[in-house]
Amino acid sequence: AQTVTQSQPEMSVQEAETVTLSCTYDTSESDYYLFWYKQPPSRQMILVIRQEAYKQQNATENRFSVNFQKAAKSFSLKISDSQLGDAAMYFCAYPQGGSEKLVFGKGTKLTVNP
Amino acid sequence: DAGVTQSPTHLIKTRGQQVTLRCSPISGHKSVSWYQQVLGQGPQFIFQYYEKEERGRGNFPDRFSARQFPNYSSELNVNALLLGDSALYLCASSRILLGNTIYFGEGSWLTVV
Repeated sequence: AQTVTQSQPEMSVQEAETVTLSCTYDTSESDYYLFWYKQPPSRQMILVIRQEAYKQQNATENRFSVNFQKAAKSFSLKISDSQLGDAAMYFCAYPQGGSEKLVFGKGTKLTVNP
Repeated sequence: DAGVTQSPTHLIKTRGQQVTLRCSPISGHKSVSWYQQVLGQGPQFIFQYYEKEERGRGNFPDRFSARQFPNYSSELNVNALLLGDSALYLCASSRILLGNTIYFGEGSWLTVV
């Protein structure tokens, strides 16, 4: 079974500093996508960043970037210059079997301290 | 453009009752998926519909059913509600069937008492 593992249930960071959230996944496919979603207390799932597996270059979106290691099946999220509004649950997700059935990790709760 | 919209936002039902949740995808999006998220867990896939046809089903009992309408909106129905069905139900849409970014609505909170 394809799985997504987030090994850090909780993380904290000081405002303006950098934090990295970890994610590993298991797949036998060669071409796929990976996503990081943010879920604030409002519970809406907000797309943070997306990575295509065939691209060598790591995706970036403003203060958010990924470290994608395809051979290691690792997909970590780096948040630079952390802001109070970044506090949320962060979920790593992978579309199973080339479909749009997203398989989510259990999430990492990020706290940003002022 | 409006995002994925879901209704109702919150609802309370009694065990054994039936519930219908509604979802309107982003304009131009033809794929709609449903997820169940219980407290403290990541979302679990329930259904995917594309062009009004079921394209995927998760590990949920037959009490769960869904459909997609010609305007691409969708309904999720749950019959014979159990206490364990209490969860946030998320609808997601995307433009095409595969390989596209998936956007979520704000969800429908269902409490079964």
